[in-house]
Amino acid sequence: GENVEQHPSTLSVQEGDSAVIKCTYSDSASNYFPWYKQELGKRPQLIIDIRSNVGEKKDQRIAVTLNKTAKHFSLHITETQPEDSAVYFCAASIGNNAGNMLTFGGGTRLMVKP
Amino acid sequence: DVKVTQSSRYLVKRTGEKVFLECVQDMDHENMFWYRQDPGLGLRLIYFSYDVKMKEKGDIPEGYSVSREKKERFSLILESASTNQTSMYLCASSLGLGGDTQYFGPGTRLTVL
Repeated sequence: GENVEQHPSTLSVQEGDSAVIKCTYSDSASNYFPWYKQELGKRPQLIIDIRSNVGEKKDQRIAVTLNKTAKHFSLHITETQPEDSAVYFCAASIGNNAGNMLTFGGGTRLMVKP
Repeated sequence: DVKVTQSSRYLVKRTGEKVFLECVQDMDHENMFWYRQDPGLGLRLIYFSYDVKMKEKGDIPEGYSVSREKKERFSLILESASTNQTSMYLCASSLGLGGDTQYFGPGTRLTVL
């Protein structure tokens, strides 16, 4: 089955700096890659996703890039703010095919220092 | 807004007890999921259901069972709780399967003594 590895496990940045979290996946058939953010004590929530027909997607200060050849994708957060502090999870899936679930990475704890 | 609720935020049980965790969603989603969250291991899928009375094993089904008698409700059952089942349990629902947004519940932190 699919295996997703996520790095780093913890990341500390100064407010205003950029943060990058990287994930690799094993199944070349995967074509859907969401990112979830989980603030302390709260539930995970989708913040951005990308499908394999797109190489990059942006939403304000966050962006995701996908390299299908290398089987890796990354989350980029620019101009970080204290409210970006959270655990971020990447995931991979073979789209909407029945039986193909999301496989999550181990998570990255991002700490933004004011 | 999608609302996914779980029956308890915190639960303490003893080894060998039968434990029921309930999840309810109000968006008429077809699919529901149970995950276990442990530090450094991310979210691991225990079971999912794509229709009433239908269930499929996820990555770590051992020691767990599930029940989905109504579309909006998905229950996780620990037949005989063990200390290694101490964890955070998250329920989620979605319209589609792998390629659709999953909406999570608040989680149940289960401690087995």
